[in-house]
Amino acid sequence: AQSVTQLDSHVSVSEGTPVLLRCNYSSSYSPSLFWYVQHPNKGLQLLLKYTSAATLVKGINGFEAEFKKSETSFHLTKPSAHMSDAAEYFCVVYGNKLVFGAGTILRVKS
Amino acid sequence: DAGVIQSPRHEVTEMGQEVTLRCKPISGHDYLFWYRQTMMRGLELLIYFNNNVPIDDSGMPEDRFSAKMPNASFSTLKIQPSEPRDSAVYFCASSQTGFQGPLHFGNGTRLTVT
Repeated sequence: AQSVTQLDSHVSVSEGTPVLLRCNYSSSYSPSLFWYVQHPNKGLQLLLKYTSAATLVKGINGFEAEFKKSETSFHLTKPSAHMSDAAEYFCVVYGNKLVFGAGTILRVKS
Repeated sequence: DAGVIQSPRHEVTEMGQEVTLRCKPISGHDYLFWYRQTMMRGLELLIYFNNNVPIDDSGMPEDRFSAKMPNASFSTLKIQPSEPRDSAVYFCASSQTGFQGPLHFGNGTRLTVT
């Protein structure tokens, strides 16, 4: 079985400041982990994917995530937020099935 | 590539009516998924196909829902009869490699049943 918990339903940052979106997972398997982003009225788009290679994964638009097995975490970060980053972000785990987190809405203030 | 194409973008219908949602996956993708997104339940997998064959339909809520994939470039999700609790955004997604993805999502169909 697997599950994923996104620790914040909403995160608000100022433009130019760092972004941290937190995700914890559990899985009976060696999981693959993903972050997807959903802009308003759009479908989900893959940001990045972890599949047991390097623990620090770089994605699109300057995002990256670090897989920490000891903490069962896969937090998403970006050094400097841009207005266009405002969206909903989903942490996703795949063990023997794909499980989506509940989502974190990121607000970026000017 | 045009991406996954869904139609219509919005559908408003009355309870009891039949609703058909359509999806054209990305060419060459062997997997097609139908998801439903609501505020209360988040993203739910309804059904997925591999090479046009339904593999897992355990997420289909009840017999009122049916899905078909007559060929590699077209799929439908039908609700008959529709009910207000079916109101949601329905997404189609396709993938070359199954759940390990990436999954490429369409822009969704927002269904409102009154």
